[in-house]
Amino acid sequence: GENVEQHPSTLSVQEGDSAVIKCTYSDSASNYFPWYKQELGKGPQLIIDIRSNVGEKKDQRIAVTLNKTAKHFSLHITETQPEDSAVYFCAASSWGYAGGTSYGKLTFGQGTILTVHP
Amino acid sequence: KAGVTQTPRYLIKTRGQQVTLSCSPISGHRSVSWYQQTPGQGLQFLFEYFSETQRNKGNFPGRFSGRQFSNSRSEMNVSTLELGDSALYLCASSTEGTDTQYFGPGTRLTVL
Repeated sequence: GENVEQHPSTLSVQEGDSAVIKCTYSDSASNYFPWYKQELGKGPQLIIDIRSNVGEKKDQRIAVTLNKTAKHFSLHITETQPEDSAVYFCAASSWGYAGGTSYGKLTFGQGTILTVHP
Repeated sequence: KAGVTQTPRYLIKTRGQQVTLSCSPISGHRSVSWYQQTPGQGLQFLFEYFSETQRNKGNFPGRFSGRQFSNSRSEMNVSTLELGDSALYLCASSTEGTDTQYFGPGTRLTVL
């Protein structure tokens, strides 16, 4: 089955700096890669996602890149703010892949605790 | 549009008991997935329901079961609770034909 590795496990930056979180996946059938932000006491919130037919996607201060050949994808947050402090999770899915058994299943990385210091 | 709702938000049970958790998806969403979140194992997929049918199942023992109703609301049940079942149980919903999942706030289950 799919395995997703996420690094680093903790990341501490100063306000205004950039933050980068990296994930690798093992299943070449994976074709959907979402990123979630989870704040204390809340469920994961989808912040951005990318599909395998796209190499990069940007939404204001957040961007995600995908390298299918190397099987890795990254989250980039620019001009970080204290409210960006949270746990970030990457995930992978092969939903819809012929012969796949991935309906409704996201495989998550272990998470990155991001702390943005004012 | 209202988000995914889960009830109850907190639950305390003792070993050997059973528990039922409820999830109401976003209006119009027919797929509901359930996940278990623990500090040690992270987020792990339990099962997915679509149109009242379980389409996918993760690697959890048979004590974990679920169902979905005609209005897409879903419940999951854990029988014969063990201490290791203490976790945050999350459900997520998505529309037909997509894998974009939106999560609820979760139910915090503590087993004593």
